[in-house]
Amino acid sequence: ILNVEQSPQSLHVQEGDSTNFTCSFPSSNFYALHWYRWETAKSPEALFVMTLNGDEKKKGRISATLNTKEGYSYLYIKGSQPEDSATYLCASLGGATNKLIFGTGTLLAVQP
Amino acid sequence: NAGVTQTPKFQVLKTGQSMTLQCAQDMNHNSMYWYRQDPGMGLRLIYYSASEGTTDKGEVPNGYNVSRLNKREFSLRLESAAPSQTSVYFCASTLDRGHQPQHFGDGTRLSIL
Repeated sequence: ILNVEQSPQSLHVQEGDSTNFTCSFPSSNFYALHWYRWETAKSPEALFVMTLNGDEKKKGRISATLNTKEGYSYLYIKGSQPEDSATYLCASLGGATNKLIFGTGTLLAVQP
Repeated sequence: NAGVTQTPKFQVLKTGQSMTLQCAQDMNHNSMYWYRQDPGMGLRLIYYSASEGTTDKGEVPNGYNVSRLNKREFSLRLESAAPSQTSVYFCASTLDRGHQPQHFGDGTRLSIL
């Protein structure tokens, strides 16, 4: 994997559903993995910064895991609420570059 | 606490005009970044400054120049604006380039006619 890839591209769920997204990134020379939440007409806000293989982080109903050996991270949202509707971005620092490379995001829409 | 402040918020230019986007942070961060955001492309790094006095190219530097004026301020200049530079521009800063999150400004929506 040369770039940071996120799936799915978009997701529509009902209020109360739990959901998860995937971020794939280059596993060589891994340094850090970031997750951001980006609401429409606002700027991205940091959710998590993860650096160690096996890291698990949690903030309220949102949690994330990290596997640096295989190059993926999962973001989970338990019991989605309409206010969770946003684009969720991941970004990886490592590989052949020392720059933070962003994926294109997963757009989550939670219907009440 | 203002965080990262970008000016202007909106700007319309004609092809060939020049302008400078301003960014300032009050968090004593070492590293600062300029990104552009286009539909379907995510955030792409234009230039960054790892520390005061240094600047480096990102993924899409062509047509832009930057100045790290001091630790607080990092400006982005379009010398001769082109329609392809129509985009939303975000400035960000961080204390530690990888282990700390980036803090973003509110963005500048730039249209080149």
